Amino acid sequence: EDQVTQSPEALRLQEGESSSLNCSYTVSGLRGLFWYRQDPGKGPEFLFTLYSAGEEKEKERLKATLTKKESFLHITAPKPEDSATYLCAVQARSSASKIIFGSGTRLSIRP
Amino acid sequence: NAGVMQNPRHLVRRRGQEARLRCSPMKGHSHVYWYRQLPEEGLKFMVYLQKENIIDESGMPKERFSAEFPKEGPSILRIQQVVRGDSAAYFCASSPALAPPPDEQFFGPGTRLTVL
Repeated sequence: EDQVTQSPEALRLQEGESSSLNCSYTVSGLRGLFWYRQDPGKGPEFLFTLYSAGEEKEKERLKATLTKKESFLHITAPKPEDSATYLCAVQARSSASKIIFGSGTRLSIRP
Repeated sequence: NAGVMQNPRHLVRRRGQEARLRCSPMKGHSHVYWYRQLPEEGLKFMVYLQKENIIDESGMPKERFSAEFPKEGPSILRIQQVVRGDSAAYFCASSPALAPPPDEQFFGPGTRLTVL
């Protein structure tokens, strides 16, 4: 069964304190792995797609990496506005439709 | 350049009533997906539709729930005879036709359904 597990569930950091969020996945043939950001009361906002192991993508203070079993979202020198829930999701080659989401990591950045 | 639009944003229903949630995909997108997010839980896939066709409804409860995406107009998620357990945020996402895989999905702001 396709599955996505994110850790930690919650993470509190001081502004400027870099860290990483983990996403472990089990999928029968990975078609793509996605990272989304979700603010309270809003829909998920697309961040990155990773296609294959070894791939990396960057956007401002965020960098996503992918191996055959997990993905990391690295946050460098975060600011309070980076506070949100970060969602990891996978799409299997066998499915042309559904995305399987993890439960997310709630990130809080203290000024 | 409007994104995915959903309405209403908040919906309150009493047990036994019907709930209708609407979703207009991004311009140029013809694939629509519905997800449900229960409090403190992740997003769960419900159904995938293209114009006038249901492609995958494997995540949809067998009873009381239905979805459509007509040739003209928005996609509708319909919940009949709502129960308290249906209270959740319902999100719609869309992707363009003929997108190279994987298909990135863009989400709307959600409809928050409260069943009294």
